[in-house]
Amino acid sequence: DTEVTQTPKHLVMGMTNKKSLKCEQHMGHRAMYWYKQKAKKPPELMFVYSYEKLSINESVPSRFSPECPNSSLLNLHLHALQPEDSALYLCASSRGILTEAFFGQGTRLTVV
Amino acid sequence: ELKVEQNPLFLSMQEGKNYTIYCNYSTTSDRLYWYRQDPGKSLESLFVLLSNGAVKQEGRLMASLDTKARLSTLHITAAVHDLSATYFCAVDDQDDKIIFGKGTRLHILP
Repeated sequence: DTEVTQTPKHLVMGMTNKKSLKCEQHMGHRAMYWYKQKAKKPPELMFVYSYEKLSINESVPSRFSPECPNSSLLNLHLHALQPEDSALYLCASSRGILTEAFFGQGTRLTVV
Repeated sequence: ELKVEQNPLFLSMQEGKNYTIYCNYSTTSDRLYWYRQDPGKSLESLFVLLSNGAVKQEGRLMASLDTKARLSTLHITAAVHDLSATYFCAVDDQDDKIIFGKGTRLHILP
């Protein structure tokens, strides 16, 4: 299995909703990442987990809350988002920090 | 702070032509990555370049790295329409972060 699987593929949520994005990989990778990508822009790093511990938080607002329940799973909990948070959210994993990252298909999030 | 610059940001070219995309970065780095992204899709890893002088080729794409010049190139040979996509280079910044360039939107005309 060489895939990073993200669910859902699309999500529309209101500003008062709470939702979660999920990411799963079974490649034995020990680093997992969340990126945010706006249209026609490069991906922006949000969080890095290494060996299930949060190692980098790129000053992301607290309305985004990551969670790594085990080495195969990465969640991103969303609460009280703003319309400007609408974007493609990409999960990635790699064998270790700074090795080749493999990206999931992304969740296209729309906040209304 | 590491900066990664790609040029051109947009490229329209005819099928069968050759062209090169450039990626410059501002500080020392050990690794450089090239990714492809189709519209509305995720990123596909193309190449990982780990050392000065590294050259990798896959089909009509060839990537090289010059760490002394802090420059990587992605060369396209005899372009075909299927190569139309956005190409990103990305560089590790020594602080466990990978910084992406702005991307080159490549449009190949039949």
